Amino acid sequence: GQQLNQSPQSMFIQEGEDVSMNCTSSSIFNTWLWYKQDPGEGPVLLIALYKAGELTSNGRLTAQFGITRKDSFLNISASIPSDVGIYFCAGPRSMEYGNKLVFGAGTILRVKS
Amino acid sequence: DGGITQSPKYLFRKEGQNVTLSCEQNLNHDAMYWYRQDPGQGLRLIYYSQIVNDFQKGDIAEGYSVSREKKESFPLTVTSAQKNPTAFYLCASSKGGRAQGYTFGSGTRLTVV
Repeated sequence: GQQLNQSPQSMFIQEGEDVSMNCTSSSIFNTWLWYKQDPGEGPVLLIALYKAGELTSNGRLTAQFGITRKDSFLNISASIPSDVGIYFCAGPRSMEYGNKLVFGAGTILRVKS
Repeated sequence: DGGITQSPKYLFRKEGQNVTLSCEQNLNHDAMYWYRQDPGQGLRLIYYSQIVNDFQKGDIAEGYSVSREKKESFPLTVTSAQKNPTAFYLCASSKGGRAQGYTFGSGTRLTVV
């Protein structure tokens, strides 16, 4: 089915370190979206990717749309305490599901100051 | 500024009661969605509406009901038939069309007491 698998499930890193996480699916996606959710708040869109191979940056964040269209990667450089939260990948389901988004289970990021 | 507003932020419900969660947007978005979030499970779709006076069930609609009488509003009722209603509920909206991503509200935390 159109499930998204995120890894790692959680991370506990030192402030200043770079972070990498990924999202994979057995199905092809035409769009990949990365969201961040702060504790007790709604998710906020960080980066949107629309083309296989695309590499897009937003400040210290960089995301890539995998060549196979079945995966995407998010990197955070020089992590800071406010990077804590849950990072979700998302993509539109197939046409039969009206292109609604399906979300991964999230990667929980905790930063040691 | 345009946005999406959920209220209340915290809600307590006695067993056997129905409660209604409010979601209002002034983004002129056509589509609106309700998600449920449980720890470690990501976001699960409850109901969605792509146009006024029309809505469809998502993946976990049992025990919930919605209405869409106005473009701006998409309230969710958690009925007594929902056996495990304690969760964080998120409302979102989108323009529809190309999957540009959703705008989320800040969520309502519902607790059964």
